[in-house]
Amino acid sequence: EAAVTQSPRSKVAVTGGKVTLSCHQTNNHDYMYWYRQDTGHGLRLIHYSYVADSTEKGDIPDGYKASRPSQENFSLILELASLSQTAVYFCASSPGLEQFFGPGTRLTVL
Amino acid sequence: GQQVQQSPASLVLQEGENAELQCNFSTSLNSMQWFYQRPEGSLVSLFYNPSGTKQSGRLTSTTVIKERRSSLHISSSQITDSGTYLCAPPYGGSGNKLIFGTGTLLSVKP
Repeated sequence: EAAVTQSPRSKVAVTGGKVTLSCHQTNNHDYMYWYRQDTGHGLRLIHYSYVADSTEKGDIPDGYKASRPSQENFSLILELASLSQTAVYFCASSPGLEQFFGPGTRLTVL
Repeated sequence: GQQVQQSPASLVLQEGENAELQCNFSTSLNSMQWFYQRPEGSLVSLFYNPSGTKQSGRLTSTTVIKERRSSLHISSSQITDSGTYLCAPPYGGSGNKLIFGTGTLLSVKP
């Protein structure tokens, strides 16, 4: 089973500040994803990547950037954090079909 | 756009009872992934099911592609089965992006 880790596991940020969420996978998967989950809602796709040094927009990319510097690492960047970005963020990796998720990062923007 | 409908939204069982959770997709379907979200928030992949029936212990997933639906059967429920069950079909052609339902919240009572 894919091993996906995320850091930090929780974070409190101030409005307007920069936030970087990191994801690391150890199973040599090509695909990586960032989702957010809001209370009472399903997960929604923010950005994803097929290959290192390339990222694609998902369904809700506004206010987020992504970076895939290597096959193992995928970061989500909030340049100017806003209150509406308070959520739980999940990273996932996939060999192409089934996806495997990290433990999530709880982000609170104040 | 694509929609994923899960039913019921919530369910309360007595320990030992069975449950049938449903997932319907609004457009064409080629597979389904089922997840269990623990009360503390982490996601566990239960099944990747492109079609037909798959079983793992007390859990059985059945996906009927042409009817755009999938079900998850839980037999002899246990208190530790409590949590949220999410279905997620892939969409959008490339990238195996998942679209999530809002889940079924299951509570198993002693």
